[in-house]
Amino acid sequence: NAGVTQTPKFRILKIGQSMTLQCTQDMNHNYMYWYRQDPGMGLKLIYYSVGAGITDKGEVPNGYNVSRSTTEDFPLRLELAAPSQTSVYFCASSWDRGRYNEQFFGPGTRLTVL
Amino acid sequence: DQQVKQNSPSLSVQEGRISILNCDYTNSMFDYFLWYKKYPAEGPTFLISISSIKDKNEDGRFTVFLNKSAKHLSLHIVPSQPGDSAVYFCAASPLIQGAQKLVFGQGTRLTINP
Repeated sequence: NAGVTQTPKFRILKIGQSMTLQCTQDMNHNYMYWYRQDPGMGLKLIYYSVGAGITDKGEVPNGYNVSRSTTEDFPLRLELAAPSQTSVYFCASSWDRGRYNEQFFGPGTRLTVL
Repeated sequence: DQQVKQNSPSLSVQEGRISILNCDYTNSMFDYFLWYKKYPAEGPTFLISISSIKDKNEDGRFTVFLNKSAKHLSLHIVPSQPGDSAVYFCAASPLIQGAQKLVFGQGTRLTINP
């Protein structure tokens, strides 16, 4: 069981470039999430998904897009990278077992936009 | 407007002593609280949680206390061990069915000194 995996681990982008951060989980979790963590700050929710084909915005969705075509994968797309998107991005997943759903996190992708 | 606050950026404790990490929240809709531990270059890992129907939850060396009237929770680690050195995040959400939209504090860096 690999848990939640994320690729790439590191990436440097130029302003205006686009990229997709990959996230895969092998725990058959229904719910998946994307967070970003800025230096000295807590994690903030970007988008989440409750199942294949269903996504919704979190606290800081501007500048990002997501899709969920399978249970396992939840990619995060940056269309026009900006310096404000320099951050560490974490993907997480959880299953549906009522109301107590701790989230399992991937190792993160460190993104720098120059 | 930070809904979850960890006012101590860092804490240093001697090995074998008690570590107490604090967290305050402002949103009265929050009734599910979690603590996550994070090592450098890794994703957060779930440590312990508590719902608002309880005021204490224990798991081995870790105990979380919740004071709803004060909107305050704390994590006690007894006895503290060198492997406990990490950043600890407090997180909160309403206790609902389905995806938990967690709101995180800024984190407290705990250092256990031998």
